[in-house]
Formats: sequence, structure tokens, C-alpha cells
Amino acid sequence: GDSVTQMEGPVTLSEEAFLTINCTYTATGYPSLFWYVQYPGEGLQLLLKATKADDKGSNKGFEATYRKETTSFHLEKGSVQVSDSAVYFCALSDRGTGFQKLVFGTGTRLLVSP
Amino acid sequence: NAGVTQTPKFRVLKTGQSMTLLCAQDMNHEYMYWYRQDPGMGLRLIHYSVGEGTTAKGEVPDGYNVSRLKKQNFLLGLESAAPSQTSVYFCASSYYQETQYFGPGTRLLVL
Repeated sequence: GDSVTQMEGPVTLSEEAFLTINCTYTATGYPSLFWYVQYPGEGLQLLLKATKADDKGSNKGFEATYRKETTSFHLEKGSVQVSDSAVYFCALSDRGTGFQKLVFGTGTRLLVSP
Repeated sequence: NAGVTQTPKFRVLKTGQSMTLLCAQDMNHEYMYWYRQDPGMGLRLIHYSVGEGTTAKGEVPDGYNVSRLKKQNFLLGLESAAPSQTSVYFCASSYYQETQYFGPGTRLLVL
């Protein structure tokens, strides 16, 4: 079945450092890909998404490109802030079952220090 | 516009007790979902609904029941709680097969 693999955390960075969180997927069809972010004590929020190959999703300085050839959707940010500390989830959607079934990775915790 | 809200925020149960978690959304979304989140794992789908009066099983439905009597509400029931149901429960909703919007979560501890 479909699956998502994320790099294990925590990822610890200093403020203004460059961020990459790796995400690869396995899917039988052509899924849409998402990054969700969960701040401490809160629910998940959609950070960005891409619906087809070579699409780039971007939001709040974060970006990720849908790479079909490498089945990847790595999250990047050029300069992280302390406020970016959160857990980041990569996910894919499978619409073959008639609804948007989301398959999540295990999440990567990001800790940014001043 | 409150989005997706969940009640309660936190609950402690004893093994064998029952409870109902309430999810409400004010975005007129057709689809609603219940997930559980456990340490070291991503979110897993428990049950979902594609419209008022309809429900279906997700990936981990055992021990849970759901009801969608009103379009804006989606209830998750535990008839006889077990320690294995200790988790954080998230509700989500979407306009058909579009982006899912999540609630803030309910933390449940079963002793």
C-alpha cells in the first residue's frame, strides 16, 4: 500500500540556518503531496501542497517540489526562526477510494535555538 | 468562523468506561474524519464520513463507533475504553476531496 517515509528527528538548528527535512513516498497512482505542521499543543495545519509532478508548493518561506522521478517531496527553508520549532508531517493523498485518504509519515520534530 | 473544534480537550478514563468525543465544524464541509496520533507514528484514520448520515471504517476502527446525525457534527464513541486507546485524537473536515482542516485535538488517558 501507499506509504510515506520521513527522516527521524529531532532536527536541531540555530536560528537562520538552512533547513531540509527529507520525505519520500511509495504510491501506486499519482497522489497529491502535503506538508503539515503541528505547533506545541495544537492541531495540524496545512503548510503547503503539490498536486502533480514538478509542482512546487510554498508558504511562509518553506517550499517543497514534487519529484516523481525520485518519489520525493523534501521540505526546505533558507533561514529558520525560533518560531518554526514544531513537528512537521509529510503526507500523501490517495483519491482512488472515493475520498481523500491521507497517509502520514511519522513526523519530524524541529528545534530551533536562538 | 471557529473552523474545527473538539470537546473535551483532555479526559482521563478508567478501563471499561465509555465516553464520546465531539467534533464540530462551521465550514459546511461534507467530509469529516477521526484520527488518532501515537508517539513515533503518523496519524492513523479511525473512521470517516462523506456526508450526513453516512460513516465508514478507516485503518484502525476496532473499539470505536461514530455517528454523523448532523452535517456539522461528527461523534466518536468508545464503548469500553482500554489502555491501548490512550492517544491524542484529531478530527478533521474537508470540502469533498479537498484539503483537510484539523481540530486542536483531544488527549485521552485510559488507566
